[in-house]
Amino acid sequence: QVQLVESGGGVVQPGRSLRLSCAASGFIFNSYGMHWVRQAPGKGLEWVAVIWYDGSNKYYADSVKGRFTISRDNSKNTLYVQMNSLRAEDTAIYYCARSVSGVSSSAMDVWGQGTTVTVSS
Amino acid sequence: SSELTQDPAVSVALGQTVRITCQGDSLRTYDASWYQQKPGQAPILVIYGKNNRPSGIPDRFSGSSSGNTASLTITGAQAEDEADYYCNSRDSSGNQLVFGTGTKVTVL
Repeated sequence: QVQLVESGGGVVQPGRSLRLSCAASGFIFNSYGMHWVRQAPGKGLEWVAVIWYDGSNKYYADSVKGRFTISRDNSKNTLYVQMNSLRAEDTAIYYCARSVSGVSSSAMDVWGQGTTVTVSS
Repeated sequence: SSELTQDPAVSVALGQTVRITCQGDSLRTYDASWYQQKPGQAPILVIYGKNNRPSGIPDRFSGSSSGNTASLTITGAQAEDEADYYCNSRDSSGNQLVFGTGTKVTVL
């Protein structure tokens, strides 16, 4: 079945780095754009970044631009986000989600279960 | 980036109709998508594009748009529809996305 499974979350000190992964299965991964979306404790959803189906275009929220890098390895059916210079306000559940199209559609039709990132000293 | 504004909470009697709205300048140009999120769960896409429902979403969910406002309507609300609902769309630049502030729907 169509599935996304995130991993790599944990507790990290402010200023440190973390890389999250999202393993995709059950669909042709290299045909779809992919997003990262996060949700701080008790808060709403916040879009983080998107990467096109072939990795040719990447876009970021202003809150993470210059600190986070989205990437994908289509040979491994895996999406990544490298998070540097982490701040307390980056504490959240991080979801990967599939775009309904190969590019950056706002519609995300498949979501992972999320991985939790806590930034704390 | 643009903002999408939603009412924080609405309530609806079982079997009645409720409309959830999402306002933002970018909605004059771009379609909204709508998501349902229950506590402790990942969001689920319920409406996207002009008024498209993914497979498995009941037809009591429908979407519409006018000017700078997108709406999600639940016709004949069920107890299982009690959840948080979020809209999202592209922002004015067209490259970034933005989520609405979210609406908590209570079914009485």
